[in-house]
Amino acid sequence: DAMVIQNPRYQVTQFGKPVTLSCSQTLNHNVMYWYQQKSSQAPKLLFHYYDKDFNNEADTPDNFQSRRPNTSFCFLDIRSPGLGDAAMYLCAVQRGAGNIQYFGAGTRLSVL
Amino acid sequence: DQQVKQNSPSLSVQEGRISILNCDYTNSMFDYFLWYKKYPAEGPTFLISISSIKDKNEDGRFTVFLNKSAKHLSLHIVPSQPGDSAVYFCAASAQQGAQKLVFGQGTRLTINP
Repeated sequence: DAMVIQNPRYQVTQFGKPVTLSCSQTLNHNVMYWYQQKSSQAPKLLFHYYDKDFNNEADTPDNFQSRRPNTSFCFLDIRSPGLGDAAMYLCAVQRGAGNIQYFGAGTRLSVL
Repeated sequence: DQQVKQNSPSLSVQEGRISILNCDYTNSMFDYFLWYKKYPAEGPTFLISISSIKDKNEDGRFTVFLNKSAKHLSLHIVPSQPGDSAVYFCAASAQQGAQKLVFGQGTRLTINP
């Protein structure tokens, strides 16, 4: 059974129309990450939560926001998607520091 | 500035032979390294890791070697099997701080029957 679940698997949105991607976990791990991966590139960290502490990467655009209402769920909000935001978005979880990150299957976002 | 590099975008190996995937890094603060495997339409799956206090870690057919002085690591798969065909990502982190992973661009491995 999947331990990190991302919904939806595929999302199509219009240019400028807000979109929310979701991630849930059954592992009860306290660290959750959001990565963006464009074709043939390395996954790029957008931000992460250590428990409730939110940590934004310096180069993450303001257009990207995140919410973590509880341990199990984390959301990625893209306020005004542009064509350049079309990518695979990966959620990962980790139990504390220095341990393995477990990834979900990802959400592929298309922007029309 | 790309801190983790996988210089071979693709690699083709015959079934039963050894596959060697390479990874270089530039940040001397990195002290924990991981390999992930990714099939199409799936998320990356953890494969094997190594701490900087070791130079080798083995798990079944998979062995990771770390050369700290050269800032280089490699993943050996032997014998290679068709199910090993996937994209392999190298990742690195510093034990201090937030445990963020920095990924390489990936190498697509194809095992030919």
